[in-house]
Amino acid sequence: DAKTTQPNSMESNEEEPVHLPCNHSTISGTDYIHWYRQLPSQGPEYVIHGLTSNVNNRMASLAIAEDRKSSTLILHRATLRDAAVYYCILRDIWNTGNQFYFGTGTSLTVIP
Amino acid sequence: DAGVIQSPRHEVTEMGQEVTLRCKPISGHNSLFWYRQTMMRGLELLIYFNNNVPIDDSGMPEDRFSAKMPNASFSTLKIQPSEPRDSAVYFCASSFLRAETQYFGPGTRLLVL
Repeated sequence: DAKTTQPNSMESNEEEPVHLPCNHSTISGTDYIHWYRQLPSQGPEYVIHGLTSNVNNRMASLAIAEDRKSSTLILHRATLRDAAVYYCILRDIWNTGNQFYFGTGTSLTVIP
Repeated sequence: DAGVIQSPRHEVTEMGQEVTLRCKPISGHNSLFWYRQTMMRGLELLIYFNNNVPIDDSGMPEDRFSAKMPNASFSTLKIQPSEPRDSAVYFCASSFLRAETQYFGPGTRLLVL
């Protein structure tokens, strides 16, 4: 599975939108883009995933660049409970297992 | 659903002792994963099972680590003998086979003195 690059940390004010970037310049055509987050003292939790088109769910939106070499996780209104480490992960759909390889992620601080 | 259950939540032991971590996956899930998280190395996959069969244990650090899944509702990760460098948070996760979403447990915080 291809690698991803994320900023180590970001800050956001409460109630404002947050855009978390992820670069994946070596992505292949069969790589899905996944986002997980890890709240303090908890295990990671699923946020969203997509292949080519932008995706929305109740937690966030995922914007995927046309060339798929980058993507952005969008939290529409950050709350204090969104303070977490956010991981951007690529996984090939032909991966016979379904294991994930987590990088270092982006630590998001939400300022009240 | 109770989610993935791990026990114990915290474990403090002395070097050389045997440590057994336990995991109960979500009912119906047929893939189970063991991860280890440290500040230095982040979140690492140790081993995973599909339908109770170990598929890839290449992440297991050395022979002191072993994992079993005797049935669909229970797995163990054993460290024997334990060493201080094994101190970490150990997570268990489960999913449907080839599903896109994994569900993680709360983790076991292990401290080896």
